[in-house]
Amino acid sequence: GAGVSQSPSNKVTEKGKDVELRCDPISGHTALYWYRQSLGQGLEFLIYFQGNSAPDKSGLPSDRFSAERTGGSVSTLTIQRTQQEDSAVYLCASSLTRGALRNEQFFGPGTRLTVL
Amino acid sequence: GQNIDQPTEMTATEGAIVQINCTYQTSGFNGLFWYQQHAGEAPTFLSYNVLDGLEEKGRFSSFLSRSKGYSYLLLKELQMKDSASYLCAVTTRSNDYKLSFGAGTTVTVRA
Repeated sequence: GAGVSQSPSNKVTEKGKDVELRCDPISGHTALYWYRQSLGQGLEFLIYFQGNSAPDKSGLPSDRFSAERTGGSVSTLTIQRTQQEDSAVYLCASSLTRGALRNEQFFGPGTRLTVL
Repeated sequence: GQNIDQPTEMTATEGAIVQINCTYQTSGFNGLFWYQQHAGEAPTFLSYNVLDGLEEKGRFSSFLSRSKGYSYLLLKELQMKDSASYLCAVTTRSNDYKLSFGAGTTVTVRA
């Protein structure tokens, strides 16, 4: 079956522009997550969706970052007025549900964002 | 928050054994995950420990000591394809959905 997919795989943008990153989770997975991976650092949690709701947005670095999920499926992470420090790989993951003892998350290949 | 430490890099020879340690400090510990990530690819799940002890899965084993806040991932009979980053992550009871990751350990396997 299909895994988690993300698009685009690479995005180069100029400072100040807005970008949208897309995530298609595994069909039937109710939980969806966004993480950011900067060079030499661990994956950093950004936001968690259960269905279309985001109970935890605590990891979003600033109000320039927002995310939505529609139809309990596709999610979009939007970064407004991009800055150079936003350059990173943005990873999306999904899991069957929340609260299972072993909440295995399946990751997509990521979007590499470069802000010039 | 969680404080998760693992070595930055390790090098080993093909056919050998490597042990990657991970220490964590957290309240309400709810489980520890190991993921493998090849360069430019998605992290993939390797193992999950919530109780003390050793979990073995083929060439890979993972150990957990909750009292010590310590885990290790053991890779046996190393193969060149095992060259990758290995990520340790923990969850807590209050945030059982959220993986908090260490910075990862890059393992290089040499012939």
